[in-house]
Amino acid sequence: EAGVAQSPRYKIIEKRQSVAFWCNPISGHATLYWYQQILGQGPKLLIQFQNNGVVDDSQLPKDRFSAERLKGVDSTLKIQPAKLEDSAVYLCASSLSPGAGELFFGEGSRLTVL
Amino acid sequence: DAKTTQPPSMDCAEGRAANLPCNHSTISGNEYVYWYRQIHSQGPQYIIHGLKNNETNEMASLIITEDRKSSTLILPHATLRDTAVYYCIVRVGSGNTGKLIFGQGTTLQVKP
Repeated sequence: EAGVAQSPRYKIIEKRQSVAFWCNPISGHATLYWYQQILGQGPKLLIQFQNNGVVDDSQLPKDRFSAERLKGVDSTLKIQPAKLEDSAVYLCASSLSPGAGELFFGEGSRLTVL
Repeated sequence: DAKTTQPPSMDCAEGRAANLPCNHSTISGNEYVYWYRQIHSQGPQYIIHGLKNNETNEMASLIITEDRKSSTLILPHATLRDTAVYYCIVRVGSGNTGKLIFGQGTTLQVKP
């Protein structure tokens, strides 16, 4: 079974530039999550989708971050404009349903903002 | 905020049991305890979860105290590949609105 796919694995940008990350969840998984993990900290939930609808985006900095899951499958997370403090690993995860506590994570996309 | 407290780091000798403690004194009656681990440069990996009873699977055992205020993850025969950050998580909320809030975790170093 293919796992959660994410790209790019690494991205370096300058502050005020924009960046986008892509995630393809495990086939059949209705729920998709984006987490932000700053170095030395645990992952922080940014947004949770159920199919193509948002379940929870309370921790998403909406002035600069946006995410979509238009067809209920793959998802894109965008940051515009980026700040130095956005340097982190962005992890995508999926689960069969929102009630499932077993999440399957991708390897993450490491962002460095200079 | 995470509802769990874990020691920041622990060491374990290869081949011995690793016992990772977790305090969750404010856990509610219907909230599950989950354990994940994160090996360097990888995404977190699910290990095990439980509500009241002790649980065991091919990776580990989970012991939850009767008052549910603490738990212990046991890796029965630790190997060097078990070196990772281990997260104890109380799943907040229920049903479709439940979510996992990660804390700082415990860095387990398995030594030869």
